[in-house]
Amino acid sequence: AQKITQTQPGMFVQEKEAVTLDCTYDTSDPSYGLFWYKQPSSGEMIFLIYQGSYDQQNATEGRYSLNFQKARKSANLVISASQLGDSAMYFCAMNADTGNQFYFGTGTSLTVIP
Amino acid sequence: EPEVTQTPSHQVTQMGQEVILRCVPISNHLYFYWYRQILGQKVEFLVSFYNNEISEKSEIFDDQFSVERPDGSNFTLKIRSTKLEDSAMYFCASSENLAYEQYFGPGTRLTVT
Repeated sequence: AQKITQTQPGMFVQEKEAVTLDCTYDTSDPSYGLFWYKQPSSGEMIFLIYQGSYDQQNATEGRYSLNFQKARKSANLVISASQLGDSAMYFCAMNADTGNQFYFGTGTSLTVIP
Repeated sequence: EPEVTQTPSHQVTQMGQEVILRCVPISNHLYFYWYRQILGQKVEFLVSFYNNEISEKSEIFDDQFSVERPDGSNFTLKIRSTKLEDSAMYFCASSENLAYEQYFGPGTRLTVT
């Protein structure tokens, strides 16, 4: 079975600063995917970034990058140049390539301070 | 940009009633999912659906729940006899292929009174 751990229930960051949201995972599957989703107060789940377990390079999407350290089983999300609109819950998720379901962490609430 | 849609956005029902939550996945996607999120908690997998049948389901998805793809576009979740603890946000998601990113709909907030 897969397990995702997010140890930061809440984080604060100054506008325009960078912030790192932690995510560690556990799986026995050799091939898996790691994902980050953003959930604003309106409730929808917005896909941000994906990292495959065999990808050699860290994934980047605009201001989002994923710091993937396979040996440590961590997949931290880095948001650069934080904006007020980044204030939201952030969920780390994974699935094994052999399965369908996503396993989600408990989320980190990010607040960007002006 | 194509998106997953869900109706209704909010449904209030009495305990014991049947509810049907509706979703229209992205048109070229082949895998469909239902998740739920109890208020303040993490998102939990319910079921996945591929090729007109359930491919995987969780312990939560008991006999009270069923899914259907009644036509080429809709994907529904039925709860036969709702309980208070079924109150949650229900998300539909779809993906192009297995292990690809899943795109979520805006959710249906179900309130059981």
